[in-house]
Amino acid sequence: DQQVKQNSPSLSVQEGRISILNCDYTNSMFDYFLWYKKYPAEGPTFLISISSIKDKNEDGRFTVFLNKSAKHLSLHIVPSQPGDSAVYFCAASDFGNEKLTFGTGTRLTIIP
Amino acid sequence: EAGVTQFPSHSVIEKGQTVTLRCDPISGHDNLYWYRRVMGKEIKFLLHFVKESKQDESGMPNNRFLAERTGGTYSTLKVQPAELEDSGVYFCASSPGDRGRAGELFFGEGSRLTVL
Repeated sequence: DQQVKQNSPSLSVQEGRISILNCDYTNSMFDYFLWYKKYPAEGPTFLISISSIKDKNEDGRFTVFLNKSAKHLSLHIVPSQPGDSAVYFCAASDFGNEKLTFGTGTRLTIIP
Repeated sequence: EAGVTQFPSHSVIEKGQTVTLRCDPISGHDNLYWYRRVMGKEIKFLLHFVKESKQDESGMPNNRFLAERTGGTYSTLKVQPAELEDSGVYFCASSPGDRGRAGELFFGEGSRLTVL
């Protein structure tokens, strides 16, 4: 059973607009969440993370929001740029567990 | 500083053959992980080494998969005999220290395995 779900396989956004990528999780033990970005033929690279004690974390154009009661997190990219076109993976972990549980990814395409 | 390197980048083998994938983590990283992505699905955990010891191998699909990490440096993942469902991209990742949780991992570019 999938504990981390990204229900949108793809998303297209106009350059300069906001991109919103969503992620849901089912395991209430998860307390640390990460977003990874992946370009074709490359490995995933870490983008941003958030601990469950926060509801928002911001890093430049990237902001992650966490809604624990809804078991939902989202990644906002504003403004979107062509270089943001990639597959974005949501991942989660719980303290004491050394492995990440990933979602299936969302392919983001930024339209110039 | 060199990143995580994986070899080969792509391997095509016949069902029943053996393949060995290699991963060189970032120097000094005690934690080494193997993950796999099959057919555009989620990236799934296979196992975790701390130095040369297997910390968690709960994600290994079956006993056709064997992972080793010699002297706590590079790691190999052997699939013997390979089956069609083993096709996918195998990612290696590393992270420093013993932090008691999985946080930011540094991934290699992956080894694509195609079993015909």
